[in-house]
This record gives sequence, structure tokens and C-alpha cells, in this order.
Amino acid sequence: NAGVTQTPKFQVLKTGQSMTLQCAQDMNHEYMSWYRQDPGMGLRLIHYSVGAGITDQGEVPNGYNVSRSTTEDFPLRLLSAAPSQTSVYFCASSYQQGKSFGEAFFGQGTRLTVV
Amino acid sequence: EDQVTQSPEALRLQEGESSSLNCSYTVSGLRGLFWYRQDPGKGPEFLFTLYSAGEEKEKERLKATLTKKESFLHITAPKPEDSATYLCAVQRAGTASKLTFGTGTRLQVTL
Repeated sequence: NAGVTQTPKFQVLKTGQSMTLQCAQDMNHEYMSWYRQDPGMGLRLIHYSVGAGITDQGEVPNGYNVSRSTTEDFPLRLLSAAPSQTSVYFCASSYQQGKSFGEAFFGQGTRLTVV
Repeated sequence: EDQVTQSPEALRLQEGESSSLNCSYTVSGLRGLFWYRQDPGKGPEFLFTLYSAGEEKEKERLKATLTKKESFLHITAPKPEDSATYLCAVQRAGTASKLTFGTGTRLQVTL
């Protein structure tokens, strides 16, 4: 199993450009999420999905869109990149365990710089 | 609003020098508390889940404990390969798998 795979690993964008960060998991997990990690801020939730066709906003959703057409894939779209979106982005997946969820499995991250 | 505070921000230990990392949390209805390890340039790697006060879990040189207000990650006789950032996160009941993270403790273990 590859686990959670993110592409690309590094990306430089110009202000105003759009792009899609890809995330795929092969563990058949229902739950997927996107976090951003900034120095001194910890990981913050952007968007999440509890299953195919279902998405919802997290703590910092502005400027980002998501969709979940399959269980495996959960792409994150930046609509019009801004320097404030310079960050490291992590995708994670998790499984339902009774009434709660098990541990999250994280991808290796995408380091995005917006100039 | 859920809050997680980790201390210290950074910790430098000599090999074999045991210590503890602290994670204080405020959450309405804790479903689980998670510890992760993160190496530079990598994604967080799962270590432990604790579900209720009094619970303890161990793995090699690491032991995690949980009270109603905080969790400790005890590191016994650390080695240089234990150097990493250790992250604590909480999951609130009824919030699917959404995690609230602390800012981490950066641990360096020297020879």
C-alpha cells in the first residue's frame, strides 16, 4: 500500500494563478482532509470530506475549493493564488472506528510558494 | 473553541537524558487525543491515541499518558534518532475526524 500520496511535492505560483494539489489514498478510508502548516501556527484544517460527494469547510477555507468524486481522491484547488497561501499543505485520511475515527494518515506534503 | 497548547516549544537533551513533553487541552467532549512525530520535510507520523483519563500507551522509549486536562509524552533514555517535532492533537466528539493541533515541541537529542 502506498498510503496517502500527494503531488506535486514543490510548487511555485505567481499571484493570481490557479492550481490543483492532488491527493490520493489506497486504504479505502471514508474520511479525507486538507491541512496547512505555517510556522508557529500548527496544522489548520482547510476542508474535509466524510465520503464521496460530501465535503465541508474547516477552520481556514477561504480561497480553496475541494470536491470528492471518488473514495480515493480529494483534490484541493487554489482559485487565485495569494502570497498568504504560501505554506506546506498536507492531505490526510482516516477510517471510521465505531462512533469515532481512528488515527489520521498523512501524505508527505506539498510545499507551495506564491510570489 | 478547542485549544491545544504544547510545551516546551523546543527541548534539547543529551542521549540517555529522560524528559517529558506536555500537551494541555481544552475541548468540549474529548473523543481522542493523538500524538504524532514529524521529521523535517515529512508528514506527521502517528504514534498514539488516548481516549480516556488514566490511559497510558507505550512504544519503545515513548510513553503517553492522559488526564482530564493534559497529556504527557515521556521519553526514556532518548537516542539521537528520536530527534523530531512531536505534535499533539485532539478530536472532539461529533466532529468526524477533525483534529485540532498544537504547535509542537521540537526535540533535539545529542550524543
